[in-house]
Amino acid sequence: DAGVIQSPRHEVTEMGQEVTLRCKLISGHNSLFWYRQTMMRGLELLIYFNNNVPIDDSGMPEDRFSAKMPNASFSTLKIQPSEPRDSAVYFCASSLGGQGSTEAFFGQGTRLTVV
Amino acid sequence: DQQVKQNSPSLSVQEGRISILNCDYTNSMFDYFLWYKKYPAEGPTFLISISSIKDKNEDGRFTVFLNKSAKHLSLHIVPSQPGDSAVYFCAANTGGFKTIFGAGTRLFVKA
Repeated sequence: DAGVIQSPRHEVTEMGQEVTLRCKLISGHNSLFWYRQTMMRGLELLIYFNNNVPIDDSGMPEDRFSAKMPNASFSTLKIQPSEPRDSAVYFCASSLGGQGSTEAFFGQGTRLTVV
Repeated sequence: DQQVKQNSPSLSVQEGRISILNCDYTNSMFDYFLWYKKYPAEGPTFLISISSIKDKNEDGRFTVFLNKSAKHLSLHIVPSQPGDSAVYFCAANTGGFKTIFGAGTRLFVKA
């Protein structure tokens, strides 16, 4: 398996534009997490899904952020409209949630710059 | 509310010596504690974990200690190597669904 795949790796966009980040899970994993990494706050959990269902979106900063999981292997994180303070590295991770020391497998991240 | 805290943003250690990275938590319901390592331009990768029913777990040069009464855990790396230079994240979860990460500690191992 190629692991968790995120696209794009880098995104530069103008303030006010819509941004869509994409994530392909590891086959067989049933939990999906979106994290945001910033210098000030480290890795923040934005939202997580289990079996395609959003379980906790309390970390989503504003209504401008939305996430979907249309099937068991794919997820999107959308920011509309984007703002400069959204600039960060966004990570997607997947795991076999629910049992044991369930490590998460991370993608390489998408570095978003909003100018 | 930061449930997992890493109060040292950085640590510098000489090659061959011990590196000790610390982590504190506030939620007594956490079942598992994990350490992740992150190199620049890569995603975090799992390093080692410990169940809340144990107080020590060892894997090669890496040992994690858990003190539940103090709500504190630490990662020991012995001996430290230059390739260990990375950001280390402490994380915790309650059975896997929701993993909370600390802000990370950047480790520099000097040759």
